[in-house]
Amino acid sequence: EPEVTQTPSHQVTQMGQEVILRCVPISNHLYFYWYRQILGQKVEFLVSFYNNEISEKSEIFDDQFSVERPDGSNFTLKIRSTKLEDSAMYFCASSAYRDPTNEKLFFGSGTQLSVL
Amino acid sequence: LAKTTQPISMDSYEGQEVNITCSHNNIATNDYITWYQQFPSQGPRFIIQGYKTKVTNEVASLFIPADRKSSTLSLPRVSLSDTAVYYCLVGDRILDMGRRALTFGSGTRLQVQP
Repeated sequence: EPEVTQTPSHQVTQMGQEVILRCVPISNHLYFYWYRQILGQKVEFLVSFYNNEISEKSEIFDDQFSVERPDGSNFTLKIRSTKLEDSAMYFCASSAYRDPTNEKLFFGSGTQLSVL
Repeated sequence: LAKTTQPISMDSYEGQEVNITCSHNNIATNDYITWYQQFPSQGPRFIIQGYKTKVTNEVASLFIPADRKSSTLSLPRVSLSDTAVYYCLVGDRILDMGRRALTFGSGTRLQVQP
């Protein structure tokens, strides 16, 4: 089965530092997403991305967050100035079709971000 | 807002059939019902999706009554490796932009015992 790959698997950073989380979605997919999961809590939607622009974003996705598709294969999430509460597992996902509510999302294995 | 309610946890034994029911009273006409599975430290994995009646694949069956206000995920003959969190999802709205995205609830933690 095709896979979404995420790097790094673990990222440790100091509070206030910038981090970039990387994802390679499935090659023929057009819609990309970031979710996060704080330890012991729900999987939370952050942002969706299509045609080089944000389609939807949640309240969590404030000005400290940005997404980019810098080339034909990578999809990145940048946190400009990390806070302790940004510590979480971050999941990238992709899908082939527009409406995620009736389409299969493929998730990566996640990047565990620890902010010290 | 479409919300889902499912049991927090369930226990079962190897070889048994497990049925997890999810309530979604406010499901919209166009919403599909989707179930995901998540193992610890891994991303959610799609299991099955349906709109009405019954859907079956190699992993599970999904039963949806005519009113679509609930759905039941059925896992036949579970094994230890089926121990995971199972999420029932329907469409939801993101308040700030009025658009839809997949929203996860708390899920059902299934523990399969030998």
